Amino acid sequence: DGGITQSPKYLFRKEGQNVTLSCEQNLNHDAMYWYRQDPGQGLRLIYYSQIVNDFQKGDIAEGYSVSREKKESFPLTVTSAQKNPTAFYLCASSIGTGTMNTEAFFGQGTRLTVV
Amino acid sequence: GENVEQHPSTLSVQEGDSAVIKCTYSDSASNYFPWYKQELGKGPQLIIDIRSNVGEKKDQRIAVTLNKTAKHFSLHITETQPEDSAVYFCAASIGTGRRALTFGSGTRLQVQP
Repeated sequence: DGGITQSPKYLFRKEGQNVTLSCEQNLNHDAMYWYRQDPGQGLRLIYYSQIVNDFQKGDIAEGYSVSREKKESFPLTVTSAQKNPTAFYLCASSIGTGTMNTEAFFGQGTRLTVV
Repeated sequence: GENVEQHPSTLSVQEGDSAVIKCTYSDSASNYFPWYKQELGKGPQLIIDIRSNVGEKKDQRIAVTLNKTAKHFSLHITETQPEDSAVYFCAASIGTGRRALTFGSGTRLQVQP
């Protein structure tokens, strides 16, 4: 089945540690995105990538880093510089071609908790 | 950049009643307006979307209307059912430049049986 897979579903991190969240898609989509979700605040854009080897900062990129070495993979690293990393992280992808925006497909999310 | 505001934050209706959720956007260049439904602990799923060249779109019990002049769009759910209970998000994006969705803050819909 085609889709987006995020792993792990739950992740615990000690303060001061970096942690990497995985996102893989087999939809052959060019564009991939990372959003952060906090209670009552909706989804906020962290980073996005329209094509392999290229990515752009979103609204809340500080303390995060990404890479896009393969079309199907867009891992997110939460660094120790992120002051409040506990949140629900959502990865998405879309066709991303042309001037028309298209449906974004979301993964099931990773809940990160700093302990 | 784009700013999307969504109201109400919570909505409780009786089964069979209609529910309406409203959103406004700030960037007149936005041309794509999807609505997502998110169930507890899951990722959002697209339920309906509309583009700026269309004023209204329907899909069974769900409809979306768009007023480009006023820069607002609304989700209408008729004959609500308990399984409609979830968090609903509106979003907006422009067709060029940053092609990423900007989301509203969400509406928690509770359908009482």
